[in-house]
Amino acid sequence: QKEVEQNSGPLSVPEGAIASLNCTYSDRGSQSFFWYRQYSGKSPELIMSIYSNGDKEDGRFTAQLNKASQYVSLLIRDSQPSDSATYLCAVKPGNTGKLIFGQGTTLQVKP
Amino acid sequence: EAGVVQSPRYKIIEKKQPVAFWCNPISGHNTLYWYLQNLGQGPELLIRYENEEAVDDSQLPKDRFSAERLKGVDSTLKIQPAELGDSAVYLCASSVTGYGYTFGSGTRLTVV
Repeated sequence: QKEVEQNSGPLSVPEGAIASLNCTYSDRGSQSFFWYRQYSGKSPELIMSIYSNGDKEDGRFTAQLNKASQYVSLLIRDSQPSDSATYLCAVKPGNTGKLIFGQGTTLQVKP
Repeated sequence: EAGVVQSPRYKIIEKKQPVAFWCNPISGHNTLYWYLQNLGQGPELLIRYENEEAVDDSQLPKDRFSAERLKGVDSTLKIQPAELGDSAVYLCASSVTGYGYTFGSGTRLTVV
């Protein structure tokens, strides 16, 4: 079992729709969770961080965390073609300073 | 604020040759990371520094890879000798301990 798992996709949504990206992790002691966006040929860019159960909203982005289910998700409302990218879920296992990344989910937003 | 600076952006070398990558982290970020990213995969940690100390190098192939972080600021990652399978993007990132990373633009290495 991989430490951080994501569906590689591609996930295709029409412009204006809600895109839902999911991630599961194996270490129950994990405390910090991050979503990165990576455009083709570019480096990952941090877009959201979440540390406690529940929802965290930032503009069109909402991160959701459920530690009991070991599940993190990212919702993108009013999806735009410019949101087309690979979204990486990253988890910081307990008592470590490193981030473990999933393989990423490719999102395609079609005009 | 300047971001994480990496050089070179691209490097093409023949197998068995040495290669080095350089990284300058964000000022004040005490933690520095080197990650490797293969096409279609997420980044994988090679080594993590807290100030000058390498605190996690368990994934670094020490027979051919080496790294250093002088004075707790800049860092260099070296491969000697390079193999075809080393072709990838090498990412440097920095952070204040406990927070999300900021990545540099990466070095795309091609070994031929």
